[in-house]
Amino acid sequence: EAGVAQSPRYKIIEKRQSVAFWCNPISGHATLYWYQQILGQGPKLLIQFQNNGVVDDSQLPKDRFSAERLKGVDSTLKIQPAKLEDSAVYLCASSLEADRQETQYFGPGTRLLVL
Amino acid sequence: GENVEQHPSTLSVQEGDSAVIKCTYSDSASNYFPWYKQELGKRPQLIIDIRSNVGEKKDQRIAVTLNKTAKHFSLHITETQPEDSAVYFCAATLSGSARQLTFGSGTQLTVLP
Repeated sequence: EAGVAQSPRYKIIEKRQSVAFWCNPISGHATLYWYQQILGQGPKLLIQFQNNGVVDDSQLPKDRFSAERLKGVDSTLKIQPAKLEDSAVYLCASSLEADRQETQYFGPGTRLLVL
Repeated sequence: GENVEQHPSTLSVQEGDSAVIKCTYSDSASNYFPWYKQELGKRPQLIIDIRSNVGEKKDQRIAVTLNKTAKHFSLHITETQPEDSAVYFCAATLSGSARQLTFGSGTQLTVLP
């Protein structure tokens, strides 16, 4: 089966600019996650969607980050305006919404560098 | 919320030796514990997981043990090979509708030939 797709793979922007990332989950996966992975750390959950609804966005810096999953499939994550500390890899993951199907499959990530 | 601590942060072993990575978690309600392997510049990939109704699970050279009382779980890799070199992350979550994984900080494993 095709894996989780993300684009772009790399992005370099200057602080205060805006950037958007795109994710296409595995077909049929109802749950979609966005993680931020700072160099040398484990992934940290930013937001979780169940179909097109938000399950948890408690760790999303809402003053600058936003995310949507309008049709319950693809998702976009936006940062506006970006700060230096936003430099990280942004990982998208998806999982099948079924009993005891916790396995999350990760995309290749988007590596963001804010100058 | 859940807090996961992982040790050691770096681990070097000779090829053929065993490697052990340990994690502790804070939320006694957590009941699902996956381990991910992440090679440099690549996506995290699930290598093994365990649920709280079992104490040990093995898959070829990889095994995971869980001690619910002490709230810790460990990854064991036997007969290590150079291709095992990567960063390994443990994670914990409460199974159910939320399923939000909390990750440890990672262990850089280097297998020396």
